[in-house]
Amino acid sequence: GNSVTQMEGPVTLSEEAFLTINCTYTATGYPSLFWYVQYPGEGLQLLLKATKADDKGSNKGFEATYRKETTSFHLEKGSVQVSDSAVYFCALSQPSGGSYIPTFGRGTSLIVHP
Amino acid sequence: NAGVTQTPKFQVLKTGQSMTLQCAQDMNHEYMSWYRQDPGMGLRLIHYSVGAGITDQGEVPNGYNVSRSTTEDFPLRLLSAAPSQTSVYFCASSYKAGATEAFFGQGTRLTVV
Repeated sequence: GNSVTQMEGPVTLSEEAFLTINCTYTATGYPSLFWYVQYPGEGLQLLLKATKADDKGSNKGFEATYRKETTSFHLEKGSVQVSDSAVYFCALSQPSGGSYIPTFGRGTSLIVHP
Repeated sequence: NAGVTQTPKFQVLKTGQSMTLQCAQDMNHEYMSWYRQDPGMGLRLIHYSVGAGITDQGEVPNGYNVSRSTTEDFPLRLLSAAPSQTSVYFCASSYKAGATEAFFGQGTRLTVV
């Protein structure tokens, strides 16, 4: 079946540091890939997505590239801010038995210190 | 545009009680789902629906029932609450759950004592 593996957290950084959160997936075919962000006390919201190999999703300074050869979708940001502190979820979506079932990773907590 | 609305936001139940978590969306999405979020476990799919009148089980369906009589509503019923069901519950919807994003509600924090 489908699965998503994220690096365990928490990831603790100082403001303006470079961020990488690793995400690898297992799926047959060509899934769509997503990063969601969850701020404290809120639901998840879409951060960025990519729907085919070599696509780059980007939003709010975050980027991730769909790498089919390494089955990866790592999240990066060049300079993090305190306001980026949140939990980040990698996810994929692919047809399964006639319908689409999104699969989420376990989430990676990011803490950014001033 | 309200998006996905969950009620209540907080609930305390006694073991053995039943209750319904409400979820409504106003985006005419076909696909709706319920997840529970527990520390260290990420999001786990409880039940999902690909359209009105159609529901199916996810990864952790035991102890929960759902129905989908309308496109807009997808309530989650706890039949006989147990402490193991203490969790944060999220409802989500999407157009077809393919390449489209999922929209999440704000969550319901449930404590079973």
